[in-house]
Amino acid sequence: SQKIEQNSEALNIQEGKTATLTCNYTNYSPAYLQWYRQDPGRGPVFLLLIRENEKEKRKERLKVTFDTTLKQSLFHITASQPADSATYLCALTDTGFQKLVFGTGTRLLVSP
Amino acid sequence: NAGVTQTPKFQVLKTGQSMTLQCAQDMNHEYMSWYRQDPGMGLRLIHYSVGAGITDQGEVPNGYNVSRSTTEDFPLRLLSAAPSQTSVYFCASRLVSTGELFFGEGSRLTVL
Repeated sequence: SQKIEQNSEALNIQEGKTATLTCNYTNYSPAYLQWYRQDPGRGPVFLLLIRENEKEKRKERLKVTFDTTLKQSLFHITASQPADSATYLCALTDTGFQKLVFGTGTRLLVSP
Repeated sequence: NAGVTQTPKFQVLKTGQSMTLQCAQDMNHEYMSWYRQDPGMGLRLIHYSVGAGITDQGEVPNGYNVSRSTTEDFPLRLLSAAPSQTSVYFCASRLVSTGELFFGEGSRLTVL
C-alpha cells in the first residue's frame, strides 16, 4: 500500500537558518506533490504544489524539490522565523486530484 | 469571507449515538471531502464528492455516511458512534480543476 514518511521528530533550528524537511514515499507514482502548514488546533493551509515533471518550485522564502527517482521531496524555508513554527504536511495525488494522501507531518520549531 | 465552515467544533457522544457533522463552503467548489486526523496516523480520507449528487469512498469510509444535495453542503453522518471514531474531523474543498485544498477549522469528536 502507499506509504508516505515524514520525520516524526520535531526539527529545532535557530532563527535565520534554513529549515529542510523531508518527505519520502513508496508504492506510489504521484503526479503532484503538495505541502501544507498546520498550526495547533487549526486546519491545514496549502503552501505549494509541484508537478512530477518539475524539479523545483519556489514561493517567497519557500522552496520545494521533487525527485521521482528517489521518491522524495525536500521542503526548504530560508531565513526562518519563529512565526514559521508549525507542523508541515506533505501530500501526494494522482492526475485527477481525487484522493490526496497525506503524510503524518513534521513539527518545525524556530527559536529566536 | 467564510471559506469552509464546520459545526460543531466540539462534540461528546456516547457509544451508539448518532450525529451529523456539518460542512459548508461558499467558494462554489465542486469537490468536497472529509478527513479524520489521529495522532501518528496523519490525515485519512473518509469520503469525497466531485459534485452535487456524487459521492465516493476514501480510505476509511466504514461507519460514516455522506450525501451531497447542494454544491455548498457536505454533511458527515455517524449512524452509531464507536470509541474508535474519536478523532478530529476536517472538511476540505477545492475547485475540480486545481489541487489546492481549503480546509475548515476542524470538529473534535469524543466517543465515550
